[in-house]
Amino acid sequence: AQSVTQPDIHITVSEGASLELRCNYSYGATPYLFWYVQSPGQGLQLLLKYFSGDTLVQGIKGFEAEFKRSQSSFNLRKPSVHWSDAAEYFCAVGAGGTSYGKLTFGQGTILTVHP
Amino acid sequence: DAGVIQSPRHEVTEMGQEVTLRCKPISGHNSLFWYRQTMMRGLELLIYFNNNVPIDDSGMPEDRFSAKMPNASFSTLKIQPSEPRDSAVYFCASTRERAYNEQFFGPGTRLTVL
Repeated sequence: AQSVTQPDIHITVSEGASLELRCNYSYGATPYLFWYVQSPGQGLQLLLKYFSGDTLVQGIKGFEAEFKRSQSSFNLRKPSVHWSDAAEYFCAVGAGGTSYGKLTFGQGTILTVHP
Repeated sequence: DAGVIQSPRHEVTEMGQEVTLRCKPISGHNSLFWYRQTMMRGLELLIYFNNNVPIDDSGMPEDRFSAKMPNASFSTLKIQPSEPRDSAVYFCASTRERAYNEQFFGPGTRLTVL
Protein backbone atom coordinates (compact mmCIF):
# COMPACT_ATOMS: atom_id res chain seq x y z
CA ALA A 1 0.00 0.00 0.00
CA GLN A 2 1.15 3.50 -0.72
CA SER A 3 2.06 6.03 1.97
CA VAL A 4 3.11 9.67 2.19
CA THR A 5 5.33 11.34 4.77
CA GLN A 6 5.59 15.06 5.30
CA PRO A 7 8.41 15.37 7.84
CA ASP A 8 7.72 18.97 8.82
CA ILE A 9 4.55 19.58 10.81
CA HIS A 10 5.06 23.34 11.00
CA ILE A 11 7.33 25.70 9.06
CA THR A 12 7.79 29.41 9.60
CA VAL A 13 9.34 31.70 6.99
CA SER A 14 9.61 35.41 6.46
CA GLU A 15 7.74 37.07 3.66
CA GLY A 16 9.92 37.18 0.57
CA ALA A 17 12.01 34.21 1.62
CA SER A 18 12.18 31.00 -0.38
CA LEU A 19 10.21 27.95 0.65
CA GLU A 20 10.61 24.21 0.35
CA LEU A 21 8.13 21.74 1.79
CA ARG A 22 9.21 18.14 1.88
CA CYS A 23 7.23 15.12 0.79
CA ASN A 24 8.35 11.50 0.63
CA TYR A 25 6.18 8.74 -0.73
CA SER A 26 6.18 4.98 -0.77
CA TYR A 27 4.71 3.21 -3.75
CA GLY A 28 5.85 0.24 -5.81
CA ALA A 29 5.08 1.62 -9.24
CA THR A 30 5.06 5.00 -10.93
CA PRO A 31 3.14 7.27 -8.60
CA TYR A 32 0.72 10.02 -9.37
CA LEU A 33 1.63 12.90 -7.07
CA PHE A 34 -0.29 15.94 -5.94
CA TRP A 35 0.10 18.99 -3.73
CA TYR A 36 -2.99 20.58 -2.22
CA VAL A 37 -3.35 23.74 -0.15
CA GLN A 38 -5.96 24.41 2.52
CA SER A 39 -6.60 27.91 3.78
CA PRO A 40 -8.32 28.27 7.16
CA GLY A 41 -11.98 27.33 6.96
CA GLN A 42 -11.69 26.21 3.36
CA GLY A 43 -11.58 22.96 1.45
CA LEU A 44 -8.48 21.62 -0.24
CA GLN A 45 -7.39 23.20 -3.51
CA LEU A 46 -5.03 21.59 -5.99
CA LEU A 47 -1.71 23.39 -6.44
CA LEU A 48 -0.08 21.03 -8.92
CA LYS A 49 0.21 17.41 -9.96
CA TYR A 50 2.65 15.02 -11.59
CA PHE A 51 1.83 11.87 -13.46
CA SER A 52 4.36 11.66 -16.29
CA GLY A 53 6.81 13.65 -18.39
CA ASP A 54 8.88 16.53 -17.12
CA THR A 55 9.80 15.92 -13.50
CA LEU A 56 9.61 19.63 -12.67
CA VAL A 57 6.00 20.71 -12.63
CA GLN A 58 4.59 24.17 -12.36
CA GLY A 59 1.46 24.97 -10.44
CA ILE A 60 -0.73 27.83 -9.48
CA LYS A 61 0.31 30.76 -7.29
CA GLY A 62 3.95 30.49 -8.36
CA PHE A 63 4.56 27.05 -6.83
CA GLU A 64 6.58 24.27 -8.41
CA ALA A 65 7.52 20.74 -7.40
CA GLU A 66 10.15 18.31 -8.52
CA PHE A 67 9.66 14.57 -8.74
CA LYS A 68 12.80 12.64 -7.81
CA ARG A 69 12.28 8.94 -8.25
CA SER A 70 15.66 8.02 -6.74
CA GLN A 71 14.75 9.80 -3.52
CA SER A 72 11.03 8.98 -3.57
CA SER A 73 10.40 12.66 -3.08
CA PHE A 74 8.10 15.33 -4.45
CA ASN A 75 9.11 18.55 -2.71
CA LEU A 76 7.17 21.77 -3.15
CA ARG A 77 9.02 25.03 -3.71
CA LYS A 78 8.36 28.70 -4.09
CA PRO A 79 11.11 31.28 -4.65
CA SER A 80 9.46 34.12 -2.75
CA VAL A 81 6.69 33.57 -0.22
CA HIS A 82 3.79 35.98 0.17
CA TRP A 83 1.81 36.49 3.36
CA SER A 84 -1.22 35.02 1.59
CA ASP A 85 0.62 31.69 1.26
CA ALA A 86 0.07 31.00 4.95
CA ALA A 87 -1.99 27.81 4.96
CA GLU A 88 -1.71 24.06 5.40
CA TYR A 89 -0.17 22.05 2.58
CA PHE A 90 -0.86 18.42 1.83
CA CYS A 91 1.08 16.04 -0.37
CA ALA A 92 -0.83 13.08 -1.80
CA VAL A 93 -0.13 10.01 -3.89
CA GLY A 94 -2.55 8.25 -6.18
CA ALA A 95 -2.29 4.64 -7.27
CA GLY A 96 -2.97 3.17 -10.65
CA GLY A 97 -5.11 0.20 -11.52
CA THR A 98 -8.54 0.10 -9.97
CA SER A 99 -7.99 2.75 -7.33
CA TYR A 100 -10.90 4.79 -8.73
CA GLY A 101 -8.98 7.98 -8.09
CA LYS A 102 -8.27 7.24 -4.43
CA LEU A 103 -5.52 9.40 -2.91
CA THR A 104 -3.36 8.81 0.15
CA PHE A 105 -2.58 12.08 1.93
CA GLY A 106 0.30 13.08 4.14
CA GLN A 107 -0.30 14.60 7.55
CA GLY A 108 0.12 18.12 6.24
CA THR A 109 2.57 20.98 6.85
CA ILE A 110 1.36 24.22 8.37
CA LEU A 111 3.08 27.25 6.89
CA THR A 112 3.31 30.46 8.88
CA VAL A 113 4.58 33.59 7.14
CA HIS A 114 6.12 36.42 9.16
CA PRO A 115 5.96 39.94 7.78
CA ASP B 1 -19.12 24.63 -12.96
CA ALA B 2 -20.48 24.97 -9.43
CA GLY B 3 -17.92 22.68 -7.87
CA VAL B 4 -18.66 20.16 -5.16
CA ILE B 5 -21.55 21.32 -3.02
CA GLN B 6 -21.93 20.35 0.62
CA SER B 7 -24.70 21.11 3.05
CA PRO B 8 -25.06 22.22 5.69
CA ARG B 9 -21.86 24.23 6.10
CA HIS B 10 -22.20 24.18 9.86
CA GLU B 11 -24.13 21.82 12.10
CA VAL B 12 -24.46 21.96 15.85
CA THR B 13 -26.33 19.14 17.51
CA GLU B 14 -26.64 17.38 20.81
CA MET B 15 -25.23 14.00 21.65
CA GLY B 16 -27.55 11.21 20.60
CA GLN B 17 -29.14 13.07 17.73
CA GLU B 18 -29.03 11.91 14.14
CA VAL B 19 -26.91 13.98 11.76
CA THR B 20 -27.09 13.87 7.97
CA LEU B 21 -24.48 15.51 5.80
CA ARG B 22 -25.10 15.99 2.10
CA CYS B 23 -22.91 16.21 -0.96
CA LYS B 24 -23.47 16.96 -4.62
CA PRO B 25 -20.44 16.02 -6.74
CA ILE B 26 -19.34 17.77 -9.89
CA SER B 27 -21.39 16.71 -12.87
CA GLY B 28 -19.64 13.99 -14.86
CA HIS B 29 -17.51 12.80 -11.96
CA ASN B 30 -18.10 9.17 -11.10
CA SER B 31 -16.00 8.70 -7.97
CA LEU B 32 -16.96 10.31 -4.67
CA PHE B 33 -15.03 10.39 -1.40
CA TRP B 34 -15.97 11.29 2.16
CA TYR B 35 -13.22 12.54 4.50
CA ARG B 36 -13.07 13.61 8.11
CA GLN B 37 -10.56 16.16 9.36
CA THR B 38 -9.59 16.74 12.98
CA MET B 39 -6.59 18.28 14.67
CA MET B 40 -5.66 15.00 16.29
CA ARG B 41 -6.06 12.62 13.35
CA GLY B 42 -5.64 14.88 10.35
CA LEU B 43 -7.45 14.02 7.11
CA GLU B 44 -9.02 10.57 7.12
CA LEU B 45 -10.76 8.82 4.25
CA LEU B 46 -14.02 7.38 5.51
CA ILE B 47 -15.56 5.80 2.42
CA TYR B 48 -15.58 6.13 -1.33
CA PHE B 49 -17.94 5.28 -4.16
CA ASN B 50 -17.45 4.52 -7.81
CA ASN B 51 -20.46 4.74 -10.11
CA ASN B 52 -22.65 5.01 -6.99
CA VAL B 53 -21.31 1.73 -5.56
CA PRO B 54 -19.39 1.75 -2.25
CA ILE B 55 -15.88 0.48 -2.95
CA ASP B 56 -14.12 0.78 0.38
CA ASP B 57 -15.72 1.66 3.71
CA SER B 58 -12.86 0.50 5.89
CA GLY B 59 -12.33 4.02 7.16
CA MET B 60 -15.81 4.32 8.62
CA PRO B 61 -15.13 4.48 12.33
CA GLU B 62 -18.17 2.65 13.69
CA ASP B 63 -21.56 1.27 12.81
CA ARG B 64 -22.99 4.61 13.85
CA PHE B 65 -21.69 5.94 10.53
CA SER B 66 -23.35 5.11 7.24
CA ALA B 67 -23.14 6.54 3.73
CA LYS B 68 -25.27 6.23 0.65
CA MET B 69 -25.14 7.34 -2.93
CA PRO B 70 -28.58 6.78 -4.45
CA ASN B 71 -27.62 8.45 -7.74
CA ALA B 72 -24.72 10.09 -9.51
CA SER B 73 -25.52 13.54 -8.21
CA PHE B 74 -26.13 13.00 -4.52
CA SER B 75 -24.56 11.35 -1.50
CA THR B 76 -25.24 11.40 2.23
CA LEU B 77 -23.18 10.63 5.29
CA LYS B 78 -25.26 9.83 8.35
CA ILE B 79 -24.24 9.57 11.98
CA GLN B 80 -26.74 7.97 14.34
CA PRO B 81 -26.46 8.46 17.24
CA SER B 82 -23.92 11.27 17.24
CA GLU B 83 -21.26 11.64 19.95
CA PRO B 84 -19.01 14.56 20.94
CA ARG B 85 -15.96 12.76 19.49
CA ASP B 86 -17.62 12.97 16.06
CA SER B 87 -17.02 16.72 16.06
CA ALA B 88 -14.89 17.45 13.01
CA VAL B 89 -14.95 18.94 9.55
CA TYR B 90 -16.34 16.52 7.00
CA PHE B 91 -15.30 16.92 3.38
CA CYS B 92 -16.73 15.46 0.24
CA ALA B 93 -14.59 15.20 -2.90
CA SER B 94 -15.22 13.94 -6.40
CA THR B 95 -13.16 12.97 -9.41
CA ARG B 96 -13.33 11.24 -12.73
CA GLU B 97 -12.33 7.62 -12.46
CA ARG B 98 -8.62 7.84 -13.21
CA ALA B 99 -5.75 7.93 -10.76
CA TYR B 100 -4.12 10.92 -12.41
CA ASN B 101 -7.20 13.03 -12.09
CA GLU B 102 -7.22 15.25 -9.09
CA GLN B 103 -9.97 15.20 -6.53
CA PHE B 104 -12.08 18.32 -6.22
CA PHE B 105 -13.06 19.12 -2.67
CA GLY B 106 -16.16 20.72 -1.33
CA PRO B 107 -16.03 23.46 1.32
CA GLY B 108 -16.74 21.03 4.12
CA THR B 109 -19.31 20.71 6.88
CA ARG B 110 -18.17 21.70 10.35
CA LEU B 111 -19.97 19.42 12.80
CA THR B 112 -20.12 20.15 16.50
CA VAL B 113 -21.72 17.60 18.80
CA LEU B 114 -22.41 18.93 22.28
